[in-house]
Amino acid sequence: QVTLRESGPALVKPTQTLTLTCTFSGFSLSTSGMCLSWIRQPPGKALEWLARIDWDDEKYYSTSLKTRLSISKDTSKNQVVLTMTNMDPADTATYYCALMDITLIRGLDPWGQGTLVTVSS
Amino acid sequence: QSALTQPASVSGSPGQSITISCTGTSGDTSSYIYVSWYQQHPGKAPRLMIYDVNKRPSGVSDRFSGSKSGNTASLTISGLQAEDEADYYCSSYTTTWVFGGGTKLTVL
Repeated sequence: QVTLRESGPALVKPTQTLTLTCTFSGFSLSTSGMCLSWIRQPPGKALEWLARIDWDDEKYYSTSLKTRLSISKDTSKNQVVLTMTNMDPADTATYYCALMDITLIRGLDPWGQGTLVTVSS
Repeated sequence: QSALTQPASVSGSPGQSITISCTGTSGDTSSYIYVSWYQQHPGKAPRLMIYDVNKRPSGVSDRFSGSKSGNTASLTISGLQAEDEADYYCSSYTTTWVFGGGTKLTVL
């Protein structure tokens, strides 16, 4: 069974750097075809895709946020880390990680439960 | 990728069918080969309902179906049930993802 769980600070101050961790089980991110994405959702608003890292360490970023984002993986720990610099109140959102096995399903499945991050001084 | 436009809300009565549209602004219809749909209940994580335009993951009811014509994809839910009331998001994948603005489905 594949599970994902996001963790990180619930509250960050403006201008600080956010570091989020996605810890997963049930698959290996070194297996060909596995891709893990981060997606966020401000309260009451739509989903926004942020970044993706693949089994071969290929990385992709949202065009509008790429200067602020960095994604990395630690295969031995079954973790993917997302950092976002220069946080702003507009970055207040629930942050999700989600899996895609590109060889099977071009869809994000499953998703973690999400972690709410509030940006406030 | 271009943006995806969904209606803000749709509604239907139990047993009826509804369709949610998802229109891309790009004239390149090849950008919409990998369209997926997600259901999100309040306070919950999204759930994949349809991928590759019209395929259902294991465990998703066959009351959910997807289609595409040109640059417009559609999600149809037949035999509406109270539990279908949720937000629905379309998404298009190339190497990155773009999501629609979401549609709130109300079961009357």
